[in-house]
Amino acid sequence: QSVLTQPPSVSAAPGQKVTISCSGSSSNIGNNYVSWYQQLPGTAPKLLIYENNKRPSGIPDRFSGSKSGTSATLGITGLQTGDEADYYCGTWDSSLSALWVFGGGTKLTVL
Amino acid sequence: QVQLQESGPGLVKPSQTLSLTCTVSGGSISSGGYYWSWIRQHPGKGLEWIGYIYYSGSTYYNPSLKSRVTISVDTSKNQFSLKLSSVTAADTAVYYCARRIAARPHFDYWGQGTLVTVSS
Repeated sequence: QSVLTQPPSVSAAPGQKVTISCSGSSSNIGNNYVSWYQQLPGTAPKLLIYENNKRPSGIPDRFSGSKSGTSATLGITGLQTGDEADYYCGTWDSSLSALWVFGGGTKLTVL
Repeated sequence: QVQLQESGPGLVKPSQTLSLTCTVSGGSISSGGYYWSWIRQHPGKGLEWIGYIYYSGSTYYNPSLKSRVTISVDTSKNQFSLKLSSVTAADTAVYYCARRIAARPHFDYWGQGTLVTVSS
């Protein structure tokens, strides 16, 4: 059971838009930056979004992030088959058991 | 370009200690400003943060693993290491090393990962 809640899967057709939600609490998302990671099949996770909505160099602007209260959202527009991957949100949880937490991951299928 | 590479045994017997090393290239661990991290992924599952270390030796561990985990750094070799004691089959996972910028809460560089299987 992950501290951050993500839908197990989402799907959409090529060219369409999809959003992936990440729900937490005041001890994590509510008071800390959120980052997003893309994990293509058989590879290591890759930083996609940091500090809620910033993209590292080389990440296309088809990927976007936002945060509101205790939830965060990853948006992907102009879907491509190469976007099929698992996506994870992550943040610091500053509760008594201070630790870094990830969401359970969302499998994106591009139909 | 920073690169991280995990190394260590792919098979560990139950009750023994899992030991992995992450070699950093393209940057110096001792330059400061980063947390050097271990993250694992059970087969078919999500990511679990194990802990990280600052170049000075300060460590931060996942409370659920803290009693069994030791992360250390060897600045002379530009490496940091993970030891996980008293392993069971539940510790079978892909282990990743990663870098977190101290002032920024995200992991910007990751190793390719190494599968460690706990089995007799």
